[in-house]
Amino acid sequence: QAGLTQPPSVSKGLRQTATLTCTGDNNNIDNQGAAWLQQHQGHPPKLLSYRNNDRPSGVSERFSASRSGNTASLTITGLQPEDEADYYCLAWDSRLSAYVFGTGTKVTVL
Amino acid sequence: EVQLLESGGGLVQPGGSLRLSCAASGFTFSSYAMSWVRQAPGKGLEWVSAISGSGGSTYYADSVKGRFTISRDKSKKTLYLQMNSLRAEDTAVYYCAKDLGFYGSGSAELDYWGQGTLVTVSP
Repeated sequence: QAGLTQPPSVSKGLRQTATLTCTGDNNNIDNQGAAWLQQHQGHPPKLLSYRNNDRPSGVSERFSASRSGNTASLTITGLQPEDEADYYCLAWDSRLSAYVFGTGTKVTVL
Repeated sequence: EVQLLESGGGLVQPGGSLRLSCAASGFTFSSYAMSWVRQAPGKGLEWVSAISGSGGSTYYADSVKGRFTISRDKSKKTLYLQMNSLRAEDTAVYYCAKDLGFYGSGSAELDYWGQGTLVTVSP
């Protein structure tokens, strides 16, 4: 079952900006948008962004999502140590009639 | 406060069966689609199955189609995953997650997650 493609890792310095990408196709991201989730080691995932790029209540304004065509992006500004985590995109695929996750990106704050 | 509590995980032999449960509270259970998502040790997230709020529509990943069955009980506010013909590659932490929408299809916005239950398939 096809998934969404994310870079395996991103490393940035403290207080810098990291931009994560998620590439799909016109059956998923281009058609439906993508949500973003954060997962710290040993914990369940947490929703960071809805498909319309809005943030759930309580999520820091440092996280912002966007979309252009088949690619969704998550930008983290002012990186903090607690941002070290795995980040996943998630979309509905209308051709598969299934949810598809991205391959995940590990963010390291130097 | 939304709470999701999974149970039913454990060690099972290849070819065996297991039923996972997810007890929900803090929201109107029948108004939202629910999903099961798994994570193999050291691996990424893999969506397994989803069910609409009414239970009338179900969706499965190809990897589990024909072996797993998702269901829900409105009166007990509980989500289930019946897993048959288990394989070693089904070994994972299984999470239940609440969807933002009712239908399941077209949404894929999982806004609340349980802590997960570990399923180990081994001789």
